[in-house]
Amino acid sequence: DTGVSQDPRHKITKRGQNVTFRCDPISEHNRLYWYRQTLGQGPEFLTYFQNEAQLEKSRLLSDRFSAERPKGSFSTLEIQRTEQGDSAMYLCASSPNFGNTEAFFGQGTRLTVV
Amino acid sequence: KQEVTQIPAALSVPEGENLVLNCSFTDSAIYNLQWFRQDPGKGLTSLLLIQSSQREQTSGRLNASLDKSSGRSTLYIAASQPGDSATYLCAVLYHSNYQLIWGAGTKLIIKP
Repeated sequence: DTGVSQDPRHKITKRGQNVTFRCDPISEHNRLYWYRQTLGQGPEFLTYFQNEAQLEKSRLLSDRFSAERPKGSFSTLEIQRTEQGDSAMYLCASSPNFGNTEAFFGQGTRLTVV
Repeated sequence: KQEVTQIPAALSVPEGENLVLNCSFTDSAIYNLQWFRQDPGKGLTSLLLIQSSQREQTSGRLNASLDKSSGRSTLYIAASQPGDSATYLCAVLYHSNYQLIWGAGTKLIIKP
C-alpha cells in the first residue's frame, strides 16, 4: 500500500450532470476525511468517516452532496446536478484511530464544471 | 470559533537562506498540529506532525515548533533550495470534532 489513492485525477463535466469520485485510504486507517479546496485557499472540511460510520458532515455539504464508505474501506463522494461553484480540488485523507493520528492525503480530484 | 492564520501569505527569498513560516491558532485545546507542503495543482504532502504534548519535531532541514499556550507554531527551513518552492499549510486537529482546521497557506518562492 503506497498511500491514499483518488480516482479520477481530473474530471470535466457539464453543469447539471452527476459526478462520483473514489478514495482508497491507507488500508489500516479507520478514519477517512473529504475536503474541498479552491484556488489560493486552505482545504475546507466536508465530511468524516470512522470505519463505515459518517460521524460529521459540514454545513458546506448541500443536499446535492453525498458520501459513503460502505465497508469501512474505500469511500465515494457523489455530487448531483453539478454547478459551476462546485469546481474545486476534492481531497481525501485517512488517518489511524489511535496514537499517531497523522493525516495522509491523496493527490486529489480536480473537478471543473463547465 | 476555531481559526488558523498563516503569516506571511507569500515569501520570496534567495537560495541558501534560513527562513521561518508562522502559524497561529485561536483555540489551544488541540490534539495535534501538522505542517503540509502543496505543489501547484497537486495534493498535500505531510511534512511534520507535532502532538499537543510535544514542543518540536525535526525532519532533515525542517524543524517545527509548537507553543500551545500562545497558540503558535513555526516551521523553520534551513539552507533553503529552489526545490523548496511550494505552498506550506498548517492544520490543527481539535479534540472537540476531529476536524483539521486549516490556514490559507504561505506561498514560498526560493530564488536560485
